[in-house]
Amino acid sequence: KNQVEQSPQSLIILEGKNCTLQCNYTVSPFSNLRWYKQDTGRGPVSLTIMTFSENTKSNGRYTATLDADTKQSSLHITASQLSDSASYICVVSPMDSNYQLIWGAGTKLIIKP
Amino acid sequence: NAGVTQTPKFRILKIGQSMTLQCTQDMNHNYMYWYRQDPGMGLKLIYYSVGAGITDKGEVPNGYNVSRSTTEDFPLRLELAAPSQTSVYFCATANSGQPQHFGDGTRLSIL
Repeated sequence: KNQVEQSPQSLIILEGKNCTLQCNYTVSPFSNLRWYKQDTGRGPVSLTIMTFSENTKSNGRYTATLDADTKQSSLHITASQLSDSASYICVVSPMDSNYQLIWGAGTKLIIKP
Repeated sequence: NAGVTQTPKFRILKIGQSMTLQCTQDMNHNYMYWYRQDPGMGLKLIYYSVGAGITDKGEVPNGYNVSRSTTEDFPLRLELAAPSQTSVYFCATANSGQPQHFGDGTRLSIL
């Protein structure tokens, strides 16, 4: 069964610190892996999208990595800011479907001043 | 440039009532999607459309209907609302191979 699991479920860090969020998936084969940021009460917003052949993709202070052999991805946030408080969702697109994405439940990140 | 607009933002329904969740986009995207997001769960695809006049079922279509008469609009219809349909509903749009753009959701409670 295609699944995407994220850890930790929630994380609290101090402003200015770095953090890494994890994503493990069983979707195979897959065409791309995406990370979204979802602020409370808002819809998800795309951060990065990586094809199965890419190892890393950056978007400002956000860097996503992908290891297709171990079926793991991570999202690293550098020098966190209060505005980084949000849920971060890992999403995998199966190769055999253009429309059906497999969504993780997300990691809720809280940045404290 | 509003992007993806969903209305209403909040709604409380009684069991057995019906309603239509509206979604409209000004991004000229071909693909449109309806998702539901339950607490602690990943988004689940209800219906999607690849263009005007074309719709198809997603993972959890039961209890819902959609139509796509124009590129801009993709309404979601709930018939005979049930407590299990209490959720946050998101509409999204995209072009082929591109990330999806989401509205801010409709928070629906069925009592």
